[in-house]
Amino acid sequence: GENVEQHPSTLSVQEGDSAVIKCTYSDSASNYFPWYKQELGKGPQLIIDIRSNVGEKKDQRIAVTLNKTAKHFSLHITETQPEDSAVYFCAATMYNNNDMRFGAGTRLTVKP
Amino acid sequence: EAQVTQNPRYLITVTGKKLTVTCSQNMNHEYMSWYRQDPGLGLRQIYYSMNVEVTDKGDVPEGYKVSRKEKRNFPLILESPSPNQTSLYFCASKTPGEQFFGPGTRLTVL
Repeated sequence: GENVEQHPSTLSVQEGDSAVIKCTYSDSASNYFPWYKQELGKGPQLIIDIRSNVGEKKDQRIAVTLNKTAKHFSLHITETQPEDSAVYFCAATMYNNNDMRFGAGTRLTVKP
Repeated sequence: EAQVTQNPRYLITVTGKKLTVTCSQNMNHEYMSWYRQDPGLGLRQIYYSMNVEVTDKGDVPEGYKVSRKEKRNFPLILESPSPNQTSLYFCASKTPGEQFFGPGTRLTVL
C-alpha cells in the first residue's frame, strides 16, 4: 500500500519568509496529492491539491510542485503571515480511490 | 452550509465504559471514515464506509466498531475504552476528490 513521508515535522519561520514542506510517496499509481491545513481546535481543511498530469499549481501565496519520477511533492508558502501558523498534512491517493494516506504532519509557526 | 458534525467535542471517560461518538454529514456523500490523530503519527484511518450497510477496517480498527444505517450518519463506538485510545478523533466524508473533516473529538480515557 501507499506510504507517505513528510518533512520537517516542525518549521519555524519569520513573518514574510517562505516555508517549504516536502513529502514523498511510495505507490507510483497515486495520482492525486492534496494538502490540508489544520488550525488549532479544528479539523483539517483542503488548501490546495495537484493531480499527476501537472507539475505545479499555484493559488495566491501557496503553490505545490510534483515530481512524479522522484515520487515527491512539496508545498511552498511565500510571504508567510502569522495566520499561516498551523499543522499541514500532505496526502497521496488515486483520484477516485477512497484510500487516502496522510503524512505525519508539519507544525508551521510564523513568528511576527 | 456543507459540513461534517461530530459530538461530543470533548469527552473524558474511564476504562471500560462504553461510549459512542456521533458523526453526521449533510453533503449526501457515500464515503465516510473515521481517523485518529496522534502526535508524530499523523492521521490514521480506523474504519471506513463506502455506503449504507457497507463498512470495512482501516489501518487501526482494534477496539472500535462502526455502523452505517443511514447515509448521513456514521457513529464510532468504543465498547470497552482503554487508555491507549486517548486521542483526537476525526470523522470525514469524501467526494471522488476532496475529503471533508469534522471539527474533531478529543477523547481522554482514564
